[in-house]
Amino acid sequence: SYVLTQPPSVSVAPGKTARITCEGNNIGGKGVHWYQQKPGQAPVLVIHYDSDRPSGIPERFSGSNSGNTATLTISRVEVGDEAEFYCQVWNSGTDHTVFGGGTKLTVL
Amino acid sequence: VQLVESGGGLVQPGGSLRLSCAASGFTFSSYWMSWVRQAPGKGLEWVAKIKEDGSQKYYVDSVKGRFTISRDNANNSLYLQMNSLRAEDTAVYYCARGPRDSVGEFDYWGQGTLVTVSS
Repeated sequence: SYVLTQPPSVSVAPGKTARITCEGNNIGGKGVHWYQQKPGQAPVLVIHYDSDRPSGIPERFSGSNSGNTATLTISRVEVGDEAEFYCQVWNSGTDHTVFGGGTKLTVL
Repeated sequence: VQLVESGGGLVQPGGSLRLSCAASGFTFSSYWMSWVRQAPGKGLEWVAKIKEDGSQKYYVDSVKGRFTISRDNANNSLYLQMNSLRAEDTAVYYCARGPRDSVGEFDYWGQGTLVTVSS
């Protein structure tokens, strides 16, 4: 099965840039989607197909994907951005959806 | 778009439960729909998906043969029949719209319903 690996945690100071990675074998050949989940809430889609932002998501959120690593970048981080972030892809071999293990973003 | 889950609760190991998801605000019959679960303190796990017309269904290996996803397009409802429940099925179960075109993202989620499997 296809495995997505994310760092358990990332810390950043307010106003700085946070980068959250998602590693997978040749992930650059897949479409990667990112979700933000705050405690006690449902996930919210923040990036789809590597770098597209759904309406209502701030421009501070951006994404990239190449080789074996996809990256979610959050610029000018705010305290309100603190959350768990998950990457997701479709595994063509099994026709199943796969999520990464999640990364907790802490804003110091 | 609104997705509202119901049917969660406490059930003994080996028991059954049926989850429902009431959809509104969009043309339900035009979208793949899925169930995604999250065990306490853990990450997201996709459970099952169903095609717009119900003709195709896919499951994660750990629930295959025990869970059945279905839909009623006339009543804008999604279901998950869960049989032979195990402790490891304990989780919040989310109803989600998608994956888009069967391979994409989940763009709307419900608030979830908690299933606890315990004696």
